[in-house]
Amino acid sequence: EVQLLESGGGLVQPGGSLRLSCAASGFTFSSYAMSWVRQAPGKGLEWVSVIGANGGPTYYAHSVKGRFTTSRDNSKSTLYLQMSGLRADDTAVYYCAKHRLVAMITGAFDIWGQGTTVTVSS
Amino acid sequence: DIQMTQSPSTLSASVGDRVTITCRASQTIDSWLAWYQQKPGKAPKLLIYKASSLESGVPSRFSGSGSGTEFTLTISSLQPDDFATYYCQQYKSYLYSFGQGTKVEIK
Repeated sequence: EVQLLESGGGLVQPGGSLRLSCAASGFTFSSYAMSWVRQAPGKGLEWVSVIGANGGPTYYAHSVKGRFTTSRDNSKSTLYLQMSGLRADDTAVYYCAKHRLVAMITGAFDIWGQGTTVTVSS
Repeated sequence: DIQMTQSPSTLSASVGDRVTITCRASQTIDSWLAWYQQKPGKAPKLLIYKASSLESGVPSRFSGSGSGTEFTLTISSLQPDDFATYYCQQYKSYLYSFGQGTKVEIK
């Protein structure tokens, strides 16, 4: 079964850091680009970042550029999101998502994890 | 950046109704558009990619059309399982963007 499982969410103070993980199974992780998407409470979906199948290139939403870093370890089939300088408006459920097409950094997202909740508050 | 605008924001409909949701892009995205369904507390689910291609396993009552800047998602006969929020997403640009969502409610 194709599956994505996020972890690492929690409560963090403003200005703090957190690293999210997304463990993949059931498909050849190293063949697909991956994205992070977030959803603030009661709000819509916001794309956060994308990483190519081999670890590059990476692109970020303006709202997180310079504060968040996306990486991957294909040997562990795991995607990461390192978040620093966290702000209250980063509070959201964070989803990882698999891109639909092999090797393509563009494309729709066909598999999503269940999400992990990040709360930024003092 | 490409902005995506959906209409309406909320739609009230009955089981069996034909439902249409519109998504407009601030610049041309050719056919690089996807539609997702999201239910409360759940992850989004891909319904349509490349504007009109039905994802495997998605019921045929869902269809998509359009190109350039204007797109539609149609549900031909609304079923109880279809009450949810729907999002469009462009992937013409690496700076992906979603519409604000359309909530389909029971009338």
